[in-house]
Amino acid sequence: RKEVEQDPGPFNVPEGATVAFNCTYSNSASQSFFWYRQDCRKEPKLLMSVYSSGNEDGRFTAQLNRASQYISLLIRDSKLSDSATYLCVATKSGNTPLVFGKGTRLSVIA
Amino acid sequence: EAGVVQSPRYKIIEKKQPVAFWCNPISGHNTLYWYLQNLGQGPELLIRYENEEAVDDSQLPKDRFSAERLKGVDSTLKIQPAELGDSAVYLCASSVGGNNEQFFGPGTRLTVL
Repeated sequence: RKEVEQDPGPFNVPEGATVAFNCTYSNSASQSFFWYRQDCRKEPKLLMSVYSSGNEDGRFTAQLNRASQYISLLIRDSKLSDSATYLCVATKSGNTPLVFGKGTRLSVIA
Repeated sequence: EAGVVQSPRYKIIEKKQPVAFWCNPISGHNTLYWYLQNLGQGPELLIRYENEEAVDDSQLPKDRFSAERLKGVDSTLKIQPAELGDSAVYLCASSVGGNNEQFFGPGTRLTVL
């Protein structure tokens, strides 16, 4: 079983739709969680960190459920520019390596 | 401020040939990572450096892969000899000590024929 698992998609949604991605992690020692965004043939870039209390950044909301070991990302009012692969990431702490999921591909359609 | 710089961006070689990738991290970032990303997969760590010391190389296939970061700044990843299965994108990332945010370079796309 992979340490971080995601539904690869693709998720094809119309502009303005709300879309949610879930991700599960198997290592209960994981302490820090992130969502990275990766555009086609580009490098991953940090989208947002995921805090225990949940956090929101504009149209994006991330939540963590430690008991069930899953992380979610909600995108409201989807834009064409949101089309990308969203990578779920877990890590133990400090400067330890990031463990990436396979990514979930999102296509926002006009 | 310049981001993580990698070269070359693309490399095509025949199997059994050697190949080397270079990375220059963001200035002041003491931690450097090399990741491998296959198509449809997330990046997977190959090696992590704290300054010039390799502190995690457990996932590096040491029979054919080697890396160095002699002065604790830029780094080189080498494959010798390359195999068909090594075709992938090799990503370099860097971070400030104790900070989880890792900044990635554009990667080197390797094709082994």
